[in-house]
Amino acid sequence: DAGVTQSPTHLIKTRGQQVTLRCSPKSGHDTVSWYQQALGQGPQFIFQYYEEEERQRGNFPDRFSGHQFPNYSSELNVNALLLGDSALYLCASSSRKANQPQHFGDGTRLSIL
Amino acid sequence: KQEVTQIPAALSVPEGENLVLNCSFTDSAIYNLQWFRQDPGKGLTSLLLIQSSQREQTSGRLNASLDKSSGRSTLYIAASQPGDSATYLCAVLFYYNQGGKLIFGQGTELSVKP
Repeated sequence: DAGVTQSPTHLIKTRGQQVTLRCSPKSGHDTVSWYQQALGQGPQFIFQYYEEEERQRGNFPDRFSGHQFPNYSSELNVNALLLGDSALYLCASSSRKANQPQHFGDGTRLSIL
Repeated sequence: KQEVTQIPAALSVPEGENLVLNCSFTDSAIYNLQWFRQDPGKGLTSLLLIQSSQREQTSGRLNASLDKSSGRSTLYIAASQPGDSATYLCAVLFYYNQGGKLIFGQGTELSVKP
């Protein structure tokens, strides 16, 4: 049973560019959340998708956008990249059933030069 | 403001020692609390999930407790091993974020010396 998978594992971009990160949820899960983790910090919630719509959003600018597909997979898009966007981006999946744990992928390490 | 704090930020212990990691949160209206392990450069591995109605959960050498009234949770690791070395993160799902927004602490970096 495959867990949460993310691609790519590493990515290097320059300031001003755009990036797309991808996530496939764990089998049986229908909800995907994205988190940003800066070095030495705890993850910060970006947003969550369910039924192909953004349901909750954290304190991130509009440069951060996402999408969920009918097969529950998801993309995170970041436009006009800044040096401060360098971080580990984590995807978590869960079921809408109450009180189920969220399962995380290994993340995408994004470096901005 | 909903905040989660973990103390200490780092901990070094000799192999075989029992240890306790602490997590505190500012709002007692929580839905559940989850403890994660993170190895360097890796994602998060879920260790234990405690529902708001529970007082503790156990898995092998790990035991997590929850005291909502005092806003605290502890993760107890028995007979620590070098393989336990990692960063441990506490995450709270507050009642008003039932949709799934986890609030994380900064983590405790644990080093178990052989």
